[in-house]
Amino acid sequence: DGGITQSPKYLFRKEGQNVTLSCEQNLNHDAMYWYRQDPGQGLRLIYYSQIVNDFQKGDIAEGYSVSREKKESFPLTVTSAQKNPTAFYLCASCVREGDEQYFGPGTRLTVT
Amino acid sequence: ILNVEQSPQSLHVQEGDSTNFTCSFPSSNFYALHWYRWETAKSPEALFVMTLNGDEKKKGRISATLNTKEGYSYLYIKGSQPEDSATYLCARNFGNEKLTFGTGTRLTIIP
Repeated sequence: DGGITQSPKYLFRKEGQNVTLSCEQNLNHDAMYWYRQDPGQGLRLIYYSQIVNDFQKGDIAEGYSVSREKKESFPLTVTSAQKNPTAFYLCASCVREGDEQYFGPGTRLTVT
Repeated sequence: ILNVEQSPQSLHVQEGDSTNFTCSFPSSNFYALHWYRWETAKSPEALFVMTLNGDEKKKGRISATLNTKEGYSYLYIKGSQPEDSATYLCARNFGNEKLTFGTGTRLTIIP
């Protein structure tokens, strides 16, 4: 079955710790994205990558970092510099920019 | 309009009734308009990607129209069923790059 997976589903961390969220896809998609959802807001783009070894900042990249060493994988690190890290994080991919996006199930991160 | 806006924010509809809701967006530099359905505890799922002014797309009981000149799209659901309960997101491509999402319309179908 082709799809996009995120792990873990729930993640708890203490303030000041970095944490990495996993995103893997076996759809052979070139483009991958990280979004954040907060109550009452639309999905906001954190980072995106159109090709391996290349990525661009989205609208709210501060306090986050990514890597794209393999086509299938696009992990997101939430660093201690992110002031309000508690949120729901969604990863998505698509064949190429502008196409419909396929979403993972999301990771809910709680930082206390 | 600077952002992608959706209305209403939430909606309760009796089973069997038809309904519609709106997505408004900046009309300049239009590339594409996406509609997604997001059911509780599931991943958002694409319904339509629309690119042409006047475009009309249909998937079962759900259809959408697009007006790129005035910057709006309507999503219609005919004969609502309980499984239609979800949040419906629209998003606009600026150029052919990133999507900008609206806050969604949360639809609840009352049996």
